[in-house]
Amino acid sequence: EVQLVESGGGLIQPGGSLRLSCAASGFGVSNNYMSWVRQAPGKGLEWVSLINSGGGKYYADSVRGRFTISRDNSKNMLYLQMNSLRAEDTAVYYCTRAPMVLRGVRQYYWLDPWGQGTLVTVSS
Amino acid sequence: DIQMTQSPSSLSASVGDKVTITCRASQSISTSLNWYQQKSGKAPNLLIYAASSLRSGVPSRFSGSGSGTDFTLTISSLQPEDFATYYCQQSYIMPPWTFGQGTKVEVK
Repeated sequence: EVQLVESGGGLIQPGGSLRLSCAASGFGVSNNYMSWVRQAPGKGLEWVSLINSGGGKYYADSVRGRFTISRDNSKNMLYLQMNSLRAEDTAVYYCTRAPMVLRGVRQYYWLDPWGQGTLVTVSS
Repeated sequence: DIQMTQSPSSLSASVGDKVTITCRASQSISTSLNWYQQKSGKAPNLLIYAASSLRSGVPSRFSGSGSGTDFTLTISSLQPEDFATYYCQQSYIMPPWTFGQGTKVEVK
């Protein structure tokens, strides 16, 4: 069964750091695109970061320079290192896989499955 | 960045109704458009990918259409378990990938 389980969330003061972890099972993180998506309380979904199968990394403008996505292929884990945290980073953070299908010359990506999420609260 | 605009933001419907949600991209995204359903307190679930492909296991009452900048999610006959919030998401070329603001489907 393909599954993702996040951990590492909690209460952190502004300016602090936190590392989120995502344990994958049923597939390998090394040969998949993997992403983080967050959702502030009562708000919509916000894409945060992605790492592709070649190790290329992408970030939303709102977190670039503060967050770092990484993976450990041997442990089949995905991570999100979050530094210089701000109140507006308060959200449930979801780990998700981005499968791809090739149709003609175009690649199509989507997000599936999703983990259950881990809550990060940035407050003094 | 590509902006995604959903309409309406919320709607009220009854069981058995046909429901249509639209999503508009700020520039052409071909058919790189996905739809998700999120129930309260739960993670989102994929419904439709590549604008019109139904995820395995998703009921056939859900369908997607569109290309370029205008897309539609249709629920042909609303069921009690379909009351939820629906999001569109573009995955055109490389990130940033963006979501619509969501459409909440409520009981009439």
